[in-house]
Amino acid sequence: EAGVAQSPRYKIIEKRQSVAFWCNPISGHATLYWYQQILGQGPKLLIQFQNNGVVDDSQLPKDRFSAERLKGVDSTLKIQPAKLEDSAVYLCASSPRQSNAGELFFGEGSRLTVL
Amino acid sequence: GDSVTQMEGPVTLSEEAFLTINCTYTATGYPSLFWYVQYPGEGLQLLLKATKADDKGSNKGFEATYRKETTSFHLEKGSVQVSDSAVYFCALSLYNQGGKLIFGQGTELSVKP
Repeated sequence: EAGVAQSPRYKIIEKRQSVAFWCNPISGHATLYWYQQILGQGPKLLIQFQNNGVVDDSQLPKDRFSAERLKGVDSTLKIQPAKLEDSAVYLCASSPRQSNAGELFFGEGSRLTVL
Repeated sequence: GDSVTQMEGPVTLSEEAFLTINCTYTATGYPSLFWYVQYPGEGLQLLLKATKADDKGSNKGFEATYRKETTSFHLEKGSVQVSDSAVYFCALSLYNQGGKLIFGQGTELSVKP
């Protein structure tokens, strides 16, 4: 079974530029999560999708971050414009269903450096 | 709010030493508790879980017991190996919050031969 795929693995941009990350969850997984992991900290949820609907985006900085999952499968996370404090690893995770009691499958992450 | 606190790292042990990584939580309801592990160059993966008080989760020689009275879920292993070197994250999930995980800050473990 293929795991959660993310790209790109690494991205370096200047502040105020834009960047997009892509995630393809495990086939058949209805729930998709984007987490932000700043160096030395635990992952923090940015947004949760159930199929193509948003379940929780309360921690997403909506003035600069956006995410979509149009067909209920893969998802993109965009940052525009980027700030220095956005330097982090962006983790995508999926789960077969929303109530799967925290058993998430994570991708390897996309590491963003903002200069 | 709901939160998880872990002991600070890094933790450095010799091979075959006993490991304890402390984890305590604060939650408004009755959470499920998890340990996730991140090996170098790999994604986070579930190590073990416990869904109710007094449950013991175990996997790969690691154990953790859900202690409601002390709101703790400490990770233990009797004899660590070099291959256990990784970052360990304690996390909780509340059923009425859609299965999302709230993580601690992580504890880096380094095992020396």
